[in-house]
Amino acid sequence: EVQLLESGGGLVQPGGSLRLSCAASGFTFSSSPMNWVRQAPGKGLEWISALTASGGTTYYIDSVRGRFTISRDNSRNTLFLQMNSLTTEDTAVYYCARESPRGDCSYDYWGLGTLVTVSS
Amino acid sequence: QSALTQPASVSGSPGQSITISCTGTSSDIGRYMYVSWYQQHPGKVPKLIIYGVSDRPSGASNRFSGSKSGNTASLTISGLQAEDEADYYCGSYTTSSTLVFGGGTKVTVL
Repeated sequence: EVQLLESGGGLVQPGGSLRLSCAASGFTFSSSPMNWVRQAPGKGLEWISALTASGGTTYYIDSVRGRFTISRDNSRNTLFLQMNSLTTEDTAVYYCARESPRGDCSYDYWGLGTLVTVSS
Repeated sequence: QSALTQPASVSGSPGQSITISCTGTSSDIGRYMYVSWYQQHPGKVPKLIIYGVSDRPSGASNRFSGSKSGNTASLTISGLQAEDEADYYCGSYTTSSTLVFGGGTKVTVL
């Protein structure tokens, strides 16, 4: 059974940093492109970052480029999101999501999410 | 990258069919067959219900169907049921090698 479990969320002050983790199991993690998607309270889904299976290529939405860094450790089946210079606009539930093995840019498995609250 | 445009809400009576539109540009929906749809019940995780414009993953109801014409994709829910009351999001791959979602549509079963 495919499982994705995020951790690392919490309350942080503006300008602070957090590192999110996503532990994967039940599939060949090292073969799967992975993504982070966030959802602000009461708002819609927002794709923020993607990483190829090897970890060699990264993609970011403009609003987080230069502040967030996506990475992975295939030996530990874990995806990461380092978030720096956080603002109140980054307050959201952060989901990790697996891209389907079909390679069609759909996300077939999602974690339960971890809440990040940026507030003074 | 601007979000895809979806109606904020759509409603229908049980048994009816409803259609949710998702409008993008020639840089996303109009260019690729990589359109997906997600269902999200309140407080729950998004669930993939359509991929590749019109294909259904195993486990998704066959009452969901998808299509695309030009820069606009559509999700049709036929035989509307109470359990279909949820938020629905479209997503598309873009020429920037990113993914963009729609703003979401709240479906209400009257």
